[in-house]
Amino acid sequence: GAVVSQHPSWVICKSGTSVKIECRSLDFQATTMFWYRQFPKQSLMLMATSNEGSKATYEQGVEKDKFLINHASLTLSTLTVTSAHPEDSSFYICSARGPGASGGVETQYFGPGTRLLVL
Amino acid sequence: KQEVTQIPAALSVPEGENLVLNCSFTDSAIYNLQWFRQDPGKGLTSLLLIQSSQREQTSGRLNASLDKSSGRSTLYIAASQPGDSATYLCAVAGNQFYFGTGTSLTVIP
Repeated sequence: GAVVSQHPSWVICKSGTSVKIECRSLDFQATTMFWYRQFPKQSLMLMATSNEGSKATYEQGVEKDKFLINHASLTLSTLTVTSAHPEDSSFYICSARGPGASGGVETQYFGPGTRLLVL
Repeated sequence: KQEVTQIPAALSVPEGENLVLNCSFTDSAIYNLQWFRQDPGKGLTSLLLIQSSQREQTSGRLNASLDKSSGRSTLYIAASQPGDSATYLCAVAGNQFYFGTGTSLTVIP
């Protein structure tokens, strides 16, 4: 089946630094990818929709200048957390829209997540 | 805006019991509904996907139903095992994915 990978799986950084997280669709092309954030004991919240070759669409309340998204190819989207602060510590999960089983309706495939800890 | 609610928030059962997790959503205009499993500190594992035109899907000991008109879905787990302990999330797909708040399941050996 379709596989989505994320790198790194976890990262610890100092406050004020920038962190880049990669999301790759390994065996399919994804024109649309999504970035989610999950705080402890809470559900996933959509941050932005990443479209290949165009600007990302951010959800209300998400700072686009802080969370930079680049979808430069059909298999790669990156999320850069700029000037990270402790409140940005969270679990970041990406997903990619891909082919459904047996050629069925498209569905979303989720990456394994990246845990970010900002000290 | 779509709102997805899961009840109960937490559930603890002895091994071998059958159990039902509930998911409700406010907007019936969905493409599909998906149930996921999330282990602590891990990503999502897709369990079952029900298209909007379908009523249920089965995989092994899992059965998920969908009643789009009433905005409800249930996940039935038969003969629960300790390895089933995890958080179960439902998500509805409209213009975007909307996730429920999750049910934390503990199966006691």
